[in-house]
Amino acid sequence: AQKVTQAQTEISVVEKEDVTLDCVYETRDTTYYLFWYKQPPSGELVFLIRRNSFDEQNEISGRYSWNFQKSTSSFNFTITASQVVDSAVYFCALSEPFMDSNYQLIWGAGTKLIIKP
Amino acid sequence: DVKVTQSSRYLVKRTGEKVFLECVQDMDHENMFWYRQDPGLGLRLIYFSYDVKMKEKGDIPEGYSVSREKKERFSLILESASTNQTSMYLCASSRQREADYEQYFGPGTRLTVT
Repeated sequence: AQKVTQAQTEISVVEKEDVTLDCVYETRDTTYYLFWYKQPPSGELVFLIRRNSFDEQNEISGRYSWNFQKSTSSFNFTITASQVVDSAVYFCALSEPFMDSNYQLIWGAGTKLIIKP
Repeated sequence: DVKVTQSSRYLVKRTGEKVFLECVQDMDHENMFWYRQDPGLGLRLIYFSYDVKMKEKGDIPEGYSVSREKKERFSLILESASTNQTSMYLCASSRQREADYEQYFGPGTRLTVT
C-alpha cells in the first residue's frame, strides 16, 4: 500500500536558520507525483510544488528547495534563512491512481514548523 | 484567481443534529474532495466525487454522506452528528488530467459537536 511518512512532528528553529523537512514515501507505481503543501495558521492549504517520478532534478524557488531522491524514496524540503512567516504546518503527499487517468492523494501526517524571532 | 469556498469557518452543533457542510468551486474542476484533519493524523479522505452525481468512499466514510448535484458544489452531510466528529473539515477540488492535478483547498470548517 502507498504511504507517506513525515517523521518530524514539530520543528522549532530561530529565524535565519536553515531547516529541512523530511518526507519518505512508499509506492509500487513507476509513475507517480509528489507534492508539498503549506498550511499557515489561517488554515487554507497552499500548493508549493509538484514533482513527477521521472524528474529527479532538484528544484529551487527563492529560499525554498526540494531534494527528490528515488533511491531513498525521499522528497525533502529545505527552507534557507527561515523567516517567521514560514511558520506553518507542511504536508507531503503522493498521488495514487484510481480509475483511468484520475488520481487522489495520500498525505503525510504533517510537520509543524515554528520559526522563533 | 481560483477559488474554493466553504459555507462556514466555524460551526457548533449538538449531538444528533443533521449537519450540512457546503463547498463551492469556480474552476470547473471535475474532482472534488472532502477531508477531515485531526492533529497528528494529517488529512484523511472522507469522500470524493469525480463527476456530477458520482461519488466514491474514501478512508473514513462512516457517519458521513455526500451530495453532488451540480459540478461546482459538493456537500458533506453528517446524518446524526456525534462528538467524535468534532474536527476541521477541508474541501478541495482538482482537474482530472495529470498535468493539472494539484488540489485546491477551501479555508476549512472547524466543526464542534457538543
